Amino acid sequence: DAKTTQPTSMDCAEGRAANLPCNHSTISGNEYVYWYRQIHSQGPQYIIHGLKNNETNEMASLIITEDRKSSTLILPHATLRDTAVYYCIVRVVTGGGADGLTFGKGTHLIIQP
Amino acid sequence: DVKVTQSSRYLVKRTGEKVFLECVQDMDHENMFWYRQDPGLGLRLIYFSYDVKMKEKGDIPEGYSVSREKKERFSLILESASTNQTSMYLCASSHHVGSRSYNEQFFGPGTRLTVL
Repeated sequence: DAKTTQPTSMDCAEGRAANLPCNHSTISGNEYVYWYRQIHSQGPQYIIHGLKNNETNEMASLIITEDRKSSTLILPHATLRDTAVYYCIVRVVTGGGADGLTFGKGTHLIIQP
Repeated sequence: DVKVTQSSRYLVKRTGEKVFLECVQDMDHENMFWYRQDPGLGLRLIYFSYDVKMKEKGDIPEGYSVSREKKERFSLILESASTNQTSMYLCASSHHVGSRSYNEQFFGPGTRLTVL
């Protein structure tokens, strides 16, 4: 899996959009970008994934640059419950998907009231 | 919603005890995983299974074994618990997909195991 770089921590005011960047300059053509988050003392939670087009679901939007070397996760209206560590990973699925995930250090997002 | 449940949130055991951690998923997923998560070391894969009775070693299988007798249940066994196995243990599951496609893993809440 290609390596990703994320800021160690970020603050965002409650109700504002939280924009979390991720660099993945060595991503290869068949690797997807995934985002997970982990709220303190809980298991990681899948948020969204994308290949090259921008994606949106009920939780977030994912913007991938045209060269695919970076992406941004957007939480449109952050709440206190969005305080968590956010992990950006890139991976290509092999073997039917029975391969483990590798998380880096992620970004600790703190939503301020 | 996909639901992955783990038998305990917190567990305290003594050195040398045999420990069973149970994981159950209700979405008919083929793949199941056991990870441990430690500060500064991130998430590390212990074992995974892609079908009933099938198991594969992950990155750190030493000191652990697994059992998958039913599709929905994947058990992690510490044959003789040691203090260095004190950790957060996370179970996950996912659908089997074709290669070169995407799939997401769904995680349970975790079991924080302390070995004294």
